[in-house]
Order: sequence, then structure tokens, then C-alpha cells
Amino acid sequence: GQNIDQPTEMTATEGAIVQINCTYQTSGFNGLFWYQQHAGEAPTFLSYNVLDGLEEKGRFSSFLSRSKGYSYLLLKELQMKDSASYLCAVRWWNGQNFVFGPGTRLSVLP
Amino acid sequence: DAGVIQSPRHEVTEMGQEVTLRCKPISGHDYLFWYRQTMMRGLELLIYFNNNVPIDDSGMPEDRFSAKMPNASFSTLKIQPSEPRDSAVYFCASSPQGTDVYGYTFGSGTRLTVV
Repeated sequence: GQNIDQPTEMTATEGAIVQINCTYQTSGFNGLFWYQQHAGEAPTFLSYNVLDGLEEKGRFSSFLSRSKGYSYLLLKELQMKDSASYLCAVRWWNGQNFVFGPGTRLSVLP
Repeated sequence: DAGVIQSPRHEVTEMGQEVTLRCKPISGHDYLFWYRQTMMRGLELLIYFNNNVPIDDSGMPEDRFSAKMPNASFSTLKIQPSEPRDSAVYFCASSPQGTDVYGYTFGSGTRLTVV
């Protein structure tokens, strides 16, 4: 199957660092997205990884290990507005479509 | 750019009625995707188009669902007849050809309630 696993919920404190993990089936892997989705809104694109390593974009970074079928999204200097769901999406083989994981609901507390 | 535009934002209909959801992708984007999101099943791909041609409709739940893209600037998702289990948020997304660097751009979604 094309299972994508993410923790259901996480809680962190304003100003802290949080890491949200995503694991997926490695066979045929061909790219991974991270999206942020605030309650009642559309998902918005955060990052794209296809090669191993870390991609940094301001307070957000995304890491990929293709051999381990593992990615994480790292959020630094957390702000209240970072409270949202974070969705990992994976593409396999040569298809265009990405399959979305169940998402991780992050709550940032003061 | 106005982004991906969906209409209506909210739709409440009675079971058995026909529902049509509309989407205008970003100009120049060659791919268009229809997704459905529920608490139980998350974000699921229903169908996607490339250059107005349906490429993969394996996610369409059953014959009650149909999607069309008559031109590069317009797509519809139709449910006939609608059922309460179709209640969900339906998102349309588009992306340009040949690059994933900027991901998909999603519309604001249509929240469908079938009573």
C-alpha cells in the first residue's frame, strides 16, 4: 500500500522548536510535499523535497531520508499563528498526483 | 493573480439532488486536481486533469460522481444524486507543468452538506 504515517496531534510552547515526523513506503518514491492547513482554510504549500537532506525556508525546515522513508518538518521560534494541521504528501513512481497523509494537528500554547 | 477560484463556498442540498461544484485554475497551470476532505478520511484525490484531459479518476467514489474540464480555465465536479455521505469539503488545486518546486495551489474549497 501507500501508507503515510504522521502523529495525530502535538503540542508545543510559543518560542520553542517542534519536529513533525512523516514516514512512508519507500518503493517508487518520487517526491514529498509539506503543507500547512489552518482550520477552515485551504492547505498552503510549505516545502518540497526529492533529494536527501535539509531544505531551509526561514523558520521552517524540511528534511528527507529516502532510504529510511522518513521526513520531518522543523518549526523554530514557534508563534501562536503556527497552530494548524501539517500535512505530508508523497508521490510514487511517475504519476503527477501526491497522496496526502492524515496530518498532524499542532497546538502552540502561550 | 487571483489564485484558484471555487464556487460556491458553501452548498446545502437535500439528498437526491444534483450538485455542481466549479473551479477556475490559475492561468497557465496545466494540471487541475479535485480533492475531498473529511475528518475520517483526510484529503483524498478524486480526479486530476492534464491539459484538460482526465488522467486518473481512480479516486472517484462511484458513478454518481463525474468531472469535466471543457477548457483550460474551467472545471466542474458533479454529484448526481447526492447522498449525506458526500458531505465534505471539496478542494480544487492547480499546478504548472514540469515543476514541483512551488507545489499545488489550492482553492478555498466548497463545503458541501447533504441533508
